[in-house]
Amino acid sequence: DAGVIQSPRHEVTEMGQEVTLRCKPISGHDYLFWYRQTMMRGLELLIYFNNNVPIDDSGMPEDRFSAKMPNASFSTLKIQPSEPRDSAVYFCATQPEIGTGELFFGEGSRLTVL
Amino acid sequence: ILNVEQSPQSLHVQEGDSTNFTCSFPSSNFYALHWYRWETAKSPEALFVMTLNGDEKKKGRISATLNTKEGYSYLYIKGSQPEDSATYLCAFDTGKLIFGQGTTLQVKP
Repeated sequence: DAGVIQSPRHEVTEMGQEVTLRCKPISGHDYLFWYRQTMMRGLELLIYFNNNVPIDDSGMPEDRFSAKMPNASFSTLKIQPSEPRDSAVYFCATQPEIGTGELFFGEGSRLTVL
Repeated sequence: ILNVEQSPQSLHVQEGDSTNFTCSFPSSNFYALHWYRWETAKSPEALFVMTLNGDEKKKGRISATLNTKEGYSYLYIKGSQPEDSATYLCAFDTGKLIFGQGTTLQVKP
């Protein structure tokens, strides 16, 4: 398996633009997590899915952020409209099972909002 | 709000020194405690996943212990090498993983 695949790796955009980050999980992993990494807050959990269903989105900072998982092979994190304070590295990670399985991280998407 | 605390925030040691870090977490709703190693410009990679009170795990020179009743875990590195330089993260797993801020280790040759 190729591991968790994220795209784009880098995105530079202007304030107000829509940003869509994509994640292809490892096949057979039931859990998918979106994290945001900043210097100030470290790795923050934004939202996670179990079998494509959003379970906890309490970490999503505000309504400008949304995430979907239309099928077991694909998830998106969308920011609309983007703001400079959204600049961060966004990681997607998957877990085969709850409680005992390790997380497998993608390489991250570095977002810069000017 | 679940709080996962790691200490120290950073550590500088000489090659050959042994070192240890602490992860503190709530003692309720516990599923597992994870340790990850995060090298610069890479993604976090799992070191250990521990579930039982008293668990001890070892991988080469790195080992970890777990005390779920008092809510802490220790990570030990014996005979640190420059290639051990990285940020070490712990994560408290209640079904969702909440990460600590990490301990950044720098090993000088």
